[in-house]
Parts: sequence; structure tokens; C-alpha cells
Amino acid sequence: QLQLQESGPGLVKPSETLSLTCTVSGGFISSSSYYWGWIRQPPGKGLEWIGSIYSSGSTYYNPSLRSRVTISVDMSKNQFSLRLSSVTAADTALYYCARDGRPIDTWFDPWGQGTLVTVSS
Amino acid sequence: QSVLTQPPSASGTPGQRVTISCSGSSSNIGRTPVTWYQQFPGTAPKLLIYSTNQRRSGVPDRFSASRSGTSASLAISGLQSEDEADYFCATWDATLHGVFGGGTKLTVL
Repeated sequence: QLQLQESGPGLVKPSETLSLTCTVSGGFISSSSYYWGWIRQPPGKGLEWIGSIYSSGSTYYNPSLRSRVTISVDMSKNQFSLRLSSVTAADTALYYCARDGRPIDTWFDPWGQGTLVTVSS
Repeated sequence: QSVLTQPPSASGTPGQRVTISCSGSSSNIGRTPVTWYQQFPGTAPKLLIYSTNQRRSGVPDRFSASRSGTSASLAISGLQSEDEADYFCATWDATLHGVFGGGTKLTVL
């Protein structure tokens, strides 16, 4: 059964870079026909897609975050990672990783449990 | 401000049929499959509906979804107390960027 688990610091200072890793188990990123994505949810608010990556390194990024986002993949560790630079309080959110159904369909499934990242000095 | 528009809340009594709408445009819902997620407090969203109207394995057939033009809807028939949750619609835009609705909080009265 495919499972995803986010990890990373729960507290990041303003202007610094947020870094999170998603570890995939029960399947391999390298053999998947799908993308792998990051989605975030500010406390009490809706969902926002951040971006997605394929095993080849091909990426799609949310245009509103593109200038600050980098998503990378490490197939040797079966992980993919998110870096978001120059963070502000507005980046405080639950960050989820998920398998992304593109290029075939628009779903995200399954999702990791999420990790809360707070931006504060 | 979400790209897709959902009512912030919906409610119904047990056994009732409830519908949640999701409004978009010709560049998103009008051209790409719609997905629906169910989220309980403190947990990650779970895929409910994919390809606009296909139930994920294990989802009761009380849940159904459809699309008409640039709007989509999720219907829950025979409403149960366990259906009380947040529901989100999602799809892509014309450049394959993911877009979500703001979510609808469903209350079972």
C-alpha cells in the first residue's frame, strides 16, 4: 500500500527557506507513471497546490509561487522535496505531499498526514 | 481567493440528499476532469471522486458527482452523520496547474 510521509522543521524564520521532504513507501517514484506533488493548507483555510514533479525531474509550479519554489526528487532515497524561499507569515500552513495523477488525471491520492510549518521569528 | 467557487457551508438532516456546487470557468472545469476530496478535522484530505464522476474504490454509492458546462457538483444521498466533513473540488487550469475550491463545510443536523 502506497504511503507518503512529510518531514522537516516545524518552525521557520521569516525571510528564510522552508525545506520539507516526502518519503514514499510501498512503491517507487522511479517506476511510477505519475507525478508527485505538494499541497498546502493554511490553518482553517482551503487547499493550495504548490507544485508537482515527475521522476525525470519535469516540474509544474503554481504561478503564484513559482519564483520561490523548487521541487526536486531523489530516487535513491525514494523521496521528493520542497524548498520555498523568502517565507513570510502567509506561508504558515499544513504542508501535504501526495501522488499526483497527472498526466492522466487531476487527482491527488494518497496524501501524507501533513506537517505544520509555522513562520515566526 | 480560490480559483474554483464553492459555498462555504451546506447542511442537511439524516437521510436527506445534499448537493455541493463548484463553479469554475472554461479554462478549468469546462475542459478538465474534476476531483472531489473529503476532509475530516485534523486529517488529510481523501480522494472521493475522480475523473469528474468516478467514485474511488471503497466510496459508498451514496456519493455521486457530475459536471455541466463550467460547474460541477457533488451529491450525497441518504445523508449520514459520518458524512459531516469539509469537501473540496479541484481540477487543472489550461496550463495544467492545479486549482482548488475554497471548500464546503457540510453539517449534518
